[in-house]
Amino acid sequence: NAGVTQTPKFQVLKTGQSMTLQCAQDMNHEYMSWYRQDPGMGLRLIHYSVGAGITDQGEVPNGYNVSRSTTEDFPLRLLSAAPSQTSVYFCASSYSGQHTGELFFGEGSRLTVL
Amino acid sequence: GDSVTQMEGPVTLSEEAFLTINCTYTATGYPSLFWYVQYPGEGLQLLLKATKADDKGSNKGFEATYRKETTSFHLEKGSVQVSDSAVYFCALSDPNTGRRALTFGSGTRLQVQP
Repeated sequence: NAGVTQTPKFQVLKTGQSMTLQCAQDMNHEYMSWYRQDPGMGLRLIHYSVGAGITDQGEVPNGYNVSRSTTEDFPLRLLSAAPSQTSVYFCASSYSGQHTGELFFGEGSRLTVL
Repeated sequence: GDSVTQMEGPVTLSEEAFLTINCTYTATGYPSLFWYVQYPGEGLQLLLKATKADDKGSNKGFEATYRKETTSFHLEKGSVQVSDSAVYFCALSDPNTGRRALTFGSGTRLQVQP
């Protein structure tokens, strides 16, 4: 009963370093997305995907890349980390078809950029 | 654009007290409305939802009614428990965007004391 799995749970980077946050779901969901959570700002959409091979930008995409080569995986890449990217990142997925708004979230990845 | 406004927290209550967390929204179309809950160290999970005006969503003793005339979706519970301590997010889904993404409020932290 894994659901949405994110790794790593914690990461500290230096400015300019690169890294990938991994996200995998085992519910055969076609829709997957990445949000960042910052104090007092709720969750903001970074990138999303409606199926394998299809990705699009959300509200705050700058500094992040994504790809979707399989239905199960949706990694988020930071090519050159900046302190402004210090945040908690959540991956979420949902069923395809009519959007019900019921997103299934991972437990989050806390990233600190020094 | 779409937006969600929640009351500032933290909200501190004694066990068995009545809870109200206010939420108002702005949307261009006819959104679906949601409450998500985030327990400490976990991802968000759907608490309840309403998809059209005057609908009432309910779950685990929590209720919220979709009020189109006041653009509100206030969360209520008649008797809170210590286990209800968490952060609560109001969110909307606008079918006009095509993103199948949610717009979140900033979250309200609830602390229930025994």
